[in-house]
Amino acid sequence: NAGVTQTPKFRILKIGQSMTLQCAQDMNHNYMYWYRQDPGMGLKLIYYSVGAGITDKGEVPNGYNVSRSTTEDFPLRLELAAPSQTSVYFCASSSTGVNSPLHFGNGTRLTVT
Amino acid sequence: DQQVKQNSPSLSVQEGRISILNCDYTNSMFDYFLWYKKYPAEGPTFLISISSIKDKNEDGRFTVFLNKSAKHLSLHIVPSQPGDSAVYFCAASDSGGGADGLTFGKGTHLIIQP
Repeated sequence: NAGVTQTPKFRILKIGQSMTLQCAQDMNHNYMYWYRQDPGMGLKLIYYSVGAGITDKGEVPNGYNVSRSTTEDFPLRLELAAPSQTSVYFCASSSTGVNSPLHFGNGTRLTVT
Repeated sequence: DQQVKQNSPSLSVQEGRISILNCDYTNSMFDYFLWYKKYPAEGPTFLISISSIKDKNEDGRFTVFLNKSAKHLSLHIVPSQPGDSAVYFCAASDSGGGADGLTFGKGTHLIIQP
C-alpha cells in the first residue's frame, strides 16, 4: 500500500543545474499536486493536474514545469536551479479534487547552493 | 496576504489535558476545512475535516469546531497523548473555485509534555 511515492528524498544542486522530482501514486487518483514548504511557512501550491494531459499553474509556478502523461505519474522539473528554490517539495493526490483530503508523499528536501 | 492564519507557532500541553489549536481565515468563499498532522521528515497526513454546513465534527479524540461568523475554526484533542506531538496545519478550500488544491496556514507545533 504505497500511496504517494516521491524520489529522491534529498538532493543538493548547484545554481543553474536542472533536475526532475519524481512523484507516483497508486490510488488511481485523477488529481495531483505539487507543493513547496519553506521553513516556518505553510505549503504553497506550485502546479496541479486534474487528469492525464491536463496541468495548471498554482500560486508559485515560476521556475518549474510539470507534465502528466499518465494517471500515476506527475514529475516536477526545475530547469535552472536558483537558491530561492531551496525548499521541501511535497507531491499529493486526491480522488475528487474538491472537498476531499489530499494524500501526501514524504517530500523531497532540495538545497540549491 | 495570508488567507489562512495560525497565529500560535507553538503550543505546549501536558499529557492527558486538552489541546486546542486555533485557525482563522479571511476568504469568505472557503467552505471546506481540514486539519493535517505532520511529523518530521514525513508528509502531512489528513486528520479531520469539516464542511461549512456543519459547526462541529468529531472523530475519536479529535473534534473540529467551525464558527463561520467569526471565520474561525479550532481543533480539540482530548486527552492529549505523547504521539500527538507534531506540527498541525489548518487548510481550507473553496469548492466552487476549481480543483486548485488547498490553502494552508503556517502550522502550529504542538508539544505534549509527560
